[in-house]
Amino acid sequence: GESVGLHLPTLSVQEGDNSIINCAYSNSASDYFIWYKQESGKGPQFIIDIRSNMDKRQGQRVTVLLNKTVKHLSLQIAATQPGDSAVYFCAENINGGNMLTFGGGTRLMVKP
Amino acid sequence: EPEVTQTPSHQVTQMGQEVILRCVPISNHLYFYWYRQILGQKVEFLVSFYNNEISEKSEIFDDQFSVERPDGSNFTLKIRSTKLEDSAMYFCASSPGTGVRGTPLHFGNGTRLTVT
Repeated sequence: GESVGLHLPTLSVQEGDNSIINCAYSNSASDYFIWYKQESGKGPQFIIDIRSNMDKRQGQRVTVLLNKTVKHLSLQIAATQPGDSAVYFCAENINGGNMLTFGGGTRLMVKP
Repeated sequence: EPEVTQTPSHQVTQMGQEVILRCVPISNHLYFYWYRQILGQKVEFLVSFYNNEISEKSEIFDDQFSVERPDGSNFTLKIRSTKLEDSAMYFCASSPGTGVRGTPLHFGNGTRLTVT
C-alpha cells in the first residue's frame, strides 16, 4: 500500500555541520507534511510543517523542502548541535483528515 | 508551556486483562488523539476524537479499543482484553484548531504498555 518512508535509518554528522534527512512518500493525495523530532523517552515534538502549495519553508535553523514531482521531502538542519541528536519522522496528512501517517524514522547522531 | 500529560508512564498487565491509559490534554484544545508505537517501528494512528465523538479511526482501532472523555480534563484509551501484540508505547496528543492542520499536534511522553 501507499506509505511514507525514509531512505536512511541512521545519519551521523559532525557538530557544526549541516544535516539533511530525507523522506519519500508515494500517496499523491498527500497535501500536508510535518517533521517531528523524538528524543529518547519522549513523545514526538513538532519541528516544521509545509503544505503542498509550497516547495520550501524555513524555520529557526531548519528548512523543509518539498518536491512534489518526485514525491520527496527533506529536512535540513543548519549547524547541527548535540541537542539535535534524536529520531526524526516525517508525517503526511491527506485532504484535511485527522490522521497523520508517519514514516519509519531516521536517527540523527551528532558527534562532538 | 502547557503540556499533554499521560499516566502511568509504564503499565504492565497480563494477557486478557483490561487496561485504561489516561491522558490530560492541553486545556483549551479541542481535538484529541491516540497513537501507538511498537518498539522499533513507526508511530501509528489509532483514533481522533472531537466534540465528544470519534471523528476518525484506523484499522488497528477495533472493538477491543474504546476512548472516552469522562470529564472536562481527562481523555482515556481502554483496551478491553489485552493481547501480547498490544505491547507498545501509546501516545496521546491534542490540538487546538481544526484537526491536524489547525496547529501542530502536541504529544505527551507516552505510556509504555507491556502485556505478558
